[in-house]
Amino acid sequence: DGGITQSPKYLFRKEGQNVTLSCEQNLNHDAMYWYRQDPGQGLRLIYYSQIVNDFQKGDIAEGYSVSREKKESFPLTVTSAQKNPTAFYLCASSGSPYEQYFGPGTRLTVT
Amino acid sequence: AQSVAQPEDQVNVAEGNPLTVKCTYSVSGNPYLFWYVQYPNRGLQFLLKYITGDNLVKGSYGFEAEFNKSQTSFHLKKPSALVSDSALYFCAVRDGVDSSYKLIFGSGTRLLVRP
Repeated sequence: DGGITQSPKYLFRKEGQNVTLSCEQNLNHDAMYWYRQDPGQGLRLIYYSQIVNDFQKGDIAEGYSVSREKKESFPLTVTSAQKNPTAFYLCASSGSPYEQYFGPGTRLTVT
Repeated sequence: AQSVAQPEDQVNVAEGNPLTVKCTYSVSGNPYLFWYVQYPNRGLQFLLKYITGDNLVKGSYGFEAEFNKSQTSFHLKKPSALVSDSALYFCAVRDGVDSSYKLIFGSGTRLLVRP
């Protein structure tokens, strides 16, 4: 899992509450990414950021928001507008045009 | 549009036998190809990549992959499987003309190595 940390590992929330997932990297990477993983569907890109104070929507950005105020941090907020928020969330970073390095993930359960 | 296909949901192999996990891709420009492995409730670990050069790429834990441009494939291989290789494997592609560095992932293939 390299120098990328995600916290907490497990997160439980009631429906209708916003929740923020943390992602921190000490790899000095410019680019950071958030993915959602559901069983049998692989990884889907939520948001990505290639530079501080700039970020772009991925394929499934609705119901999510991000910020990139510092190079090492890229928190993801799952809002109450996200219809099916229960999933495994993975953060990644990249310092080159090539491979991405992943954090250990946060499993979010909303009831 | 970029896409990746992993046609097998699961691959079963006996320990000591060779294994192959299949991947095909579609991109507009030159492909950058990757394999990752995921153990239960963990993040993805990078195994290997193809950017350019030799079509046979060697990676971590004895894995290798062969890039075949005419068949648009990038199959993952290992000469002798271990029970500890049992995990979920993802193929990913980046289109060389895409400046966003985004990776497109396949749906994953579960590898089960039986003793």
